[in-house]
Amino acid sequence: KNEVEQSPQNLTAQEGEFITINCSYSVGISALHWLQQHPGGGIVSLFMLSSGKKKHGRLIATINIQEKHSSLHITASHPRDSAVYICAGNSGTYKYIFGTGTRLKVLA
Amino acid sequence: ETGVTQTPRHLVMGMTNKKSLKCEQHLGHNAMYWYKQSAKKPLELMFVYSLEERVENNSVPSRFSPECPNSSHLFLHLHTLQPEDSALYLCASSGWTGDYGYTFGSGTRLTVV
Repeated sequence: KNEVEQSPQNLTAQEGEFITINCSYSVGISALHWLQQHPGGGIVSLFMLSSGKKKHGRLIATINIQEKHSSLHITASHPRDSAVYICAGNSGTYKYIFGTGTRLKVLA
Repeated sequence: ETGVTQTPRHLVMGMTNKKSLKCEQHLGHNAMYWYKQSAKKPLELMFVYSLEERVENNSVPSRFSPECPNSSHLFLHLHTLQPEDSALYLCASSGWTGDYGYTFGSGTRLTVV
């Protein structure tokens, strides 16, 4: 069992829908990172958070340290949001533990 | 471009070939990383260099040989690879300890035939 679990693994939504991707972790981490990976392979950092909530445009990330859980929300989803979303926990110096990713497809 | 440049983007090599992957960053970062991403698996850390010194080697087979000549450049030398080594190889860089997140390159899609 992976120390960082994401759900769902795959998600298909209609344009405009509100989307939630969940991340649970079983190890101690100092921060959690949400990443976006497009089909070409490159990975872009979306958020890094250690408590509370962060918002950037239509994206919102929350984390509950006590429950070891984080969520990534996308409001008013758009086909260009289609990508793989990966959460990663910082578990030590140079050490990130990655989830397997959630593959999101937003249909027009 | 994210600030971390990887070349080549795609590579097909035979099992007896020798090739190298290159990564370059000019973000002023001190640490550089090689990750392997296989289908349906989490990213696997291969190597970490901090100020050109290797600080992590995650039990990677010797057919993968990293080189960090300076803090801006990182190479992954490949020789006698196996088909199961086919994957996306991602380079990343960060500040001192990675505590403030990484910047990733676009990856090299490697196919071993």
